[in-house]
Amino acid sequence: GAVVSQHPSRVICKSGTSVKIECRSLDFQATTMFWYRQFPKKSLMLMATSNEGSKATYEQGVEKDKFLINHASLTLSTLTVTSAHPEDSSFYICSARAEGIYSNQPQHFGDGTRLSIL
Amino acid sequence: SQKIEQNSEALNIQEGKTATLTCNYTNYSPAYLQWYRQDPGRGPVFLLLIRENEKEKRKERLKVTFDTTLKQSLFHITASQPADSATYLCALSTGGGNKLTFGTGTQLKVEL
Repeated sequence: GAVVSQHPSRVICKSGTSVKIECRSLDFQATTMFWYRQFPKKSLMLMATSNEGSKATYEQGVEKDKFLINHASLTLSTLTVTSAHPEDSSFYICSARAEGIYSNQPQHFGDGTRLSIL
Repeated sequence: SQKIEQNSEALNIQEGKTATLTCNYTNYSPAYLQWYRQDPGRGPVFLLLIRENEKEKRKERLKVTFDTTLKQSLFHITASQPADSATYLCALSTGGGNKLTFGTGTQLKVEL
């Protein structure tokens, strides 16, 4: 159980292109999903918290207009990197948290999207 | 400043031995702490969660301890196997418990 599917797994595109990444919880409902970015040999950096039916909460320093997040249903959140540039190249990972009485439920992660902007 | 520190150097151990990984933190007061495993090019996989009022948690060959006075968690893998080779991440609850902040991870290599 607790499977999170993330697509696509890899994207290579030209500078200026917008890229959409999907994150789906396959066998559970998640009112909260998270988007992370990871650089080589570095830790996961939280970009934003995605809340179903409301606006995402972005971490300090993350551009809202650059990284558009939509969480339209209890099983799907999308991250759109708008007008991507080479510096946006990175490994993007989503996670979903199953609902429980307490917020300390573990997060279940997708397998990430390797984004390369030429 | 706030820090979460894990051994930056890779830990190499022999098959069958116990691997012990360390997670130290400063200027945090986490309500709980989680450990994840990450393989190259993959997302992290949840292993164990331990709450601030728990000293120890076990799951099969895994054991986690949590010392809020020392601000340290230890992660043990007993009878280690080559398949245990991966990067292990500790994560602290932050933002009122709604978010996780990750350490940089420790790479474990279990050799035959």
